[in-house]
Amino acid sequence: GQQVMQIPQYQHVQEGEDFTTYCNSSTTLSNIQWYKQRPGRHPVFKIQLVKSGEVKKQKRLTFQFGEAKKNSSLHITATQTTDVGTYFCAAYNDMRFGAGTRLTVKP
Amino acid sequence: NAGVTQTPKFQVLKTGQSMTLQCAQDMNHNSMYWYRQDPGMGLRLIYYSASEGTTDKGEVPNGYNVSRLNKREFSLRLESAAPSQTSVYFCASSVAGGSTEAFFGQGTRLTVV
Repeated sequence: GQQVMQIPQYQHVQEGEDFTTYCNSSTTLSNIQWYKQRPGRHPVFKIQLVKSGEVKKQKRLTFQFGEAKKNSSLHITATQTTDVGTYFCAAYNDMRFGAGTRLTVKP
Repeated sequence: NAGVTQTPKFQVLKTGQSMTLQCAQDMNHNSMYWYRQDPGMGLRLIYYSASEGTTDKGEVPNGYNVSRLNKREFSLRLESAAPSQTSVYFCASSVAGGSTEAFFGQGTRLTVV
């Protein structure tokens, strides 16, 4: 199955700073999905990217799919305490997830 | 609209005991999944069912069995629990495989002593 590597594993930021997490694959991906998991809760779908070079925005969140469809990123502008959680990418095929990036935000 | 419902929410087992985790979805989804989540390990796929009547192994199937009872229900069975199976288990469903978003249940926190 398709393996996705996610970096960094942890990120601690001051509120108002930006945050980026990256998802990388050695093979071309059909699509990629992003999920957010708040502490103690279940993962919740955020977005799906399908097209090469696709960029989608959700308020302060920007999701990108690489031109070669082998990598993806999630960028959060001006983090808030409500952004705390673990962000996962998931590759199509059989819905395997990256290890996630755990974001903590200091007020 | 309940979405994906898992039972039980918490369970403590002794080594060697068996149990079945139940999962049901009311969204008429075709595909269903079982994941386990361990600290720092992310979500690892145990088994999945692309459609009613089919099941396939995921990344970590050893020690588990599954049954797709009907379109709504997908159960996970531990025949002889081991401490290494202490984890949080999530069931998820989607309309059709990985090309559509997955909806997760609230999780089952299992401890094997």
